[in-house]
Amino acid sequence: DGGITQSPKYLFRKEGQNVTLSCEQNLNHDAMYWYRQDPGQGLRLIYYSQIVNDFQKGDIAEGYSVSREKKESFPLTVTSAQKNPTAFYLCASHSLRGNGYTFGSGTRLTVV
Amino acid sequence: SQKIEQNSEALNIQEGKTATLTCNYTNYSPAYLQWYRQDPGRGPVFLLLIRENEKEKRKERLKVTFDTTLKQSLFHITASQPADSATYLCALFQAAGNKLTFGGGTRVLVKP
Repeated sequence: DGGITQSPKYLFRKEGQNVTLSCEQNLNHDAMYWYRQDPGQGLRLIYYSQIVNDFQKGDIAEGYSVSREKKESFPLTVTSAQKNPTAFYLCASHSLRGNGYTFGSGTRLTVV
Repeated sequence: SQKIEQNSEALNIQEGKTATLTCNYTNYSPAYLQWYRQDPGRGPVFLLLIRENEKEKRKERLKVTFDTTLKQSLFHITASQPADSATYLCALFQAAGNKLTFGGGTRVLVKP
């Protein structure tokens, strides 16, 4: 079955640590996205990539970094510069010829 | 400033009735608008897309309207069922910027 896989499902980070969230898709989609969702709120765009080796900042990119070395993979690093990283992180992919976005099941990141 | 507004109050509705959700936007010129369903702790699931030149779209018990003059989309769930209980998100796509921006979502609770 084609889909988009995020791991881990739950992640705990100590203050000052960098952590990397994984996102892999086997849908052959060109575009991939990272969103952040806080309790009771909508999704806010962190970074997106339309093509391999290229990506753009979204609305809240500060404190995050990404790479797109392969079409299938778009990992997100939450750096120590992100002051309030506790949130639900969602990865999505999209065929540029298609309709809706396909989302992964999310990673819940908690700072301890 | 740009805004996408959905009713933040939960919508409680009796099984069998029609649920109507509203998505209002300001300072956007969307090429199309999408609706997603999100269950707790899960990623959103794409439901429907409606383009700027379309007035109405239907899919099974779902109907979406799009009024670019009023800057509003309505999302209807007819013959609602308890299984329809979830949060529903609207999202706008602007060609300028090439990204999808989400509203805060409206939670629907269908009571048997």
